[in-house]
Amino acid sequence: LAKTTQPISMDSYEGQEVNITCSHNNIATNDYITWYQQFPSQGPRFIIQGYKTKVTNEVASLFIPADRKSSTLSLPRVSLSDTAVYYCLVGGPPSNFGNEKLTFGTGTRLTIIP
Amino acid sequence: DGGITQSPKYLFRKEGQNVTLSCEQNLNHDAMYWYRQDPGQGLRLIYYSQIVNDFQKGDIAEGYSVSREKKESFPLTVTSAQKNPTAFYLCASSMWGGDLEQYFGPGTRLTVT
Repeated sequence: LAKTTQPISMDSYEGQEVNITCSHNNIATNDYITWYQQFPSQGPRFIIQGYKTKVTNEVASLFIPADRKSSTLSLPRVSLSDTAVYYCLVGGPPSNFGNEKLTFGTGTRLTIIP
Repeated sequence: DGGITQSPKYLFRKEGQNVTLSCEQNLNHDAMYWYRQDPGQGLRLIYYSQIVNDFQKGDIAEGYSVSREKKESFPLTVTSAQKNPTAFYLCASSMWGGDLEQYFGPGTRLTVT
């Protein structure tokens, strides 16, 4: 599993767009990029996954540049309920799973300010 | 209503006792996982299972044991050999082993005194 680096924390005001960047310099050709959201005392929730360019769903967008060495999770018009920890994971498709270990880093603690 | 259930939500045990945490899923997923989360930290993989009757150690398997006798169930036993068992335990499942699109249960907070 490729090592990832994220900011430890971020603050933003309600109604703004928030962008959280994740660095993954050692990403492999077959690796996908996946983001999770976790509220206190709850299990993480899958947000979005992508391989290249841009992916958008009803919750967020994921931007991946051509070199794929980083990715940016974009949350449009955040509200107080978006206050959570966000994790970036990078890893291969199911067929490559063998001795890979799934480890969530400490993530980015996003605080939304009223 | 599909999903993953974990029980109980809170569990208290005395030191030296083994305790088993329950995890059930009705998503028809092949793979299941157990993670441990300590305060302010990320998740660490304890055990995972890609298929019934097979499971593999994760990064911190010492002091834990699992079984996978049914596709729907993946119980975790925290044994007395686990040095620091107090933690938040999370179970997850995915369609295939290693699939990063995992679905998590609500977690069990274990306190050992």
